[in-house]
Amino acid sequence: EPEVTQTPSHQVTQMGQEVILRCVPISNHLYFYWYRQILGQKVEFLVSFYNNEISEKSEIFDDQFSVERPDGSNFTLKIRSTKLEDSAMYFCASSEGGEAFFGQGTRLTVV
Amino acid sequence: AQKVTQAQTEISVVEKEDVTLDCVYETRDTTYYLFWYKQPPSGELVFLIRRNSFDEQNEISGRYSWNFQKSTSSFNFTITASQVVDSAVYFCALSVTTKTDSWGKLQFGAGTQVVVTP
Repeated sequence: EPEVTQTPSHQVTQMGQEVILRCVPISNHLYFYWYRQILGQKVEFLVSFYNNEISEKSEIFDDQFSVERPDGSNFTLKIRSTKLEDSAMYFCASSEGGEAFFGQGTRLTVV
Repeated sequence: AQKVTQAQTEISVVEKEDVTLDCVYETRDTTYYLFWYKQPPSGELVFLIRRNSFDEQNEISGRYSWNFQKSTSSFNFTITASQVVDSAVYFCALSVTTKTDSWGKLQFGAGTQVVVTP
């Protein structure tokens, strides 16, 4: 069964460093998303991406965040200068127009 | 504004008991989708069901069933004859996108932790 794949599963970074979280969406999907879940809290929408541009973004998705689809398969989330409060599980999801299918998540720990 | 409320923080049951998870939503849109996702201890989000606002038929899938009532803005989820493997956090979500051709932007509820003990 096709699935969304995220790498790495866990990343530890120092405050102020840049991180790139990677995702390989399901191949025939056209819509891509990033979500964030701070430990013990609900899942929050960050950004959606369609036709090589950001479709919608939340208030959380400020200037330190960016997304890119550098080739035909990968979808990345970059955090330019990480803060302690960026520590969370980050989920990538993709959709062909219906329900979103989520990856297994990347746990980001900022120290 | 769209909002999803899952008032139950945690529910503990003994195996084989039924458990019902409540979900109440708010939206001004007439067309929307509601979802349930399961998050087991391993952390991934597993899609369970999607229901659109025009389809109020209840649905049953194995031990899972869903009761959608627009009159009360509720989309409740019942696990019948619970098993230990059902222990997880369950999220209700509402699609809030303004783009009519994509339903992946979701407003999640806070989640309900279900603990099933043998």
